Amino acid sequence: GAVVSQHPSRVICKSGTSVKIECRSLDFQATTMFWYRQFPKKSLMLMATSNEGSKATYEQGVEKDKFLINHASLTLSTLTVTSAHPEDSSFYICSATPRPRGGTDTQYFGPGTRLTVL
Amino acid sequence: AQSVTQLDSQVPVFEEAPVELRCNYSSSVSVYLFWYVQYPNQGLQLLLKYLSGSTLVKGINGFEAEFNKSQTSFHLRKPSVHISDTAEYFCAVSNLNSWGKLQFGAGTQVVVTP
Repeated sequence: GAVVSQHPSRVICKSGTSVKIECRSLDFQATTMFWYRQFPKKSLMLMATSNEGSKATYEQGVEKDKFLINHASLTLSTLTVTSAHPEDSSFYICSATPRPRGGTDTQYFGPGTRLTVL
Repeated sequence: AQSVTQLDSQVPVFEEAPVELRCNYSSSVSVYLFWYVQYPNQGLQLLLKYLSGSTLVKGINGFEAEFNKSQTSFHLRKPSVHISDTAEYFCAVSNLNSWGKLQFGAGTQVVVTP
């Protein structure tokens, strides 16, 4: 099956620093990647949609200047949390969708990145 | 706008017993429906999905779900659970007009005990 990886799996940083999280589709080309945030014992909240070669589309209430998304290639999207604060601590999950093949395609999820901001 | 409601936050069940996880949705347009499973410390894995056609959908690991349009429900069932089915289960919908953007329910924690 299709595999999506995330790096790092967990990161601890100091308040005020920036952290970059990578999401890679390992065995398929992903025209679209999604970034989610999952709070403890809560559901996933869609943050933004990342399309290769174009600007990301952010969901309402998500600060685009704080959560920078870059989808530079068909296999890589990055999420940079800028000037991180403790309230940004969360589990960040990406998903990727293969190139459409004449129908709807499944999203494949990465294993997530645990961010802790001290 | 659309929303997903998972009525049970936690479902304890004995091994080899059946389990049903409830999911209701609301949407002004047609939707696709999904069930995902998240094992401890792992990413989400697709169990099954309903796009069109037969309302009874069979997925992996012996799970199945039935789409009921009149009741706007997509309940997940397994006739006999194993210890390894202990996990968090998420129901999700996507809008036909913006396919790919998943709206998730709050999740149901299934705890299987011997």
